[in-house]
Amino acid sequence: QQPVQSPQAVILREGEDAVINCSSSKALYSVHWYRQKHGEAPVFLMILLKGGEQKGHEKISASFNEKKQQSSLYLTASQLSYSGTYFCGTEEGNTPLVFGKGTRLSVIA
Amino acid sequence: DAGVTQSPTHLIKTRGQQVTLRCSPKSGHDTVSWYQQALGQGPQFIFQYYEEEERQRGNFPDRFSGHQFPNYSSELNVNALLLGDSALYLCASSFGRTGGASYGYTFGSGTRLTVV
Repeated sequence: QQPVQSPQAVILREGEDAVINCSSSKALYSVHWYRQKHGEAPVFLMILLKGGEQKGHEKISASFNEKKQQSSLYLTASQLSYSGTYFCGTEEGNTPLVFGKGTRLSVIA
Repeated sequence: DAGVTQSPTHLIKTRGQQVTLRCSPKSGHDTVSWYQQALGQGPQFIFQYYEEEERQRGNFPDRFSGHQFPNYSSELNVNALLLGDSALYLCASSFGRTGGASYGYTFGSGTRLTVV
């Protein structure tokens, strides 16, 4: 079951904040977040396991609402290097990691 | 520490031909998953190998097959290539079978396959 991401695309100026959402109709075991720059491999950002904990490092953090099967990725004080496509991936238990269609983030000076 | 290595980086094949893509996982990882990524889309799961066996399979035809070797490296084979098989093929390695303690996937840079 492919998770649904929103928005599909967002444009930010340096220093602005953004939230990317990921939702599923299935009960989730974990949610992964990856960033892919053009022509490069997806890079792992973080994983959230069921339990609702919020994780993060530096200015990128995420939350996981297990009851709503939703996760949100928070980018604060965005930098030019944050530009790329963000994918959430979800696991329902003994299932493979399934990715959403992605959210294209563009940070401009 | 070498990450995930994929070869070749680019490949052009004719419709109807067969192709083999290769992947060496990150050191310490024992699970390999293959994904197909069309332009502007998210990666689509093809299959996953763990302990040299196909453990999970996505919605792909039998033309797509794979193998995992004792050293955890893996191959993806596609027979009877179609124009629609043109895509970026990504290999991702991880530790442990999906569904257990999952620590994130490490992706290779992919193989760009073009079918003409």
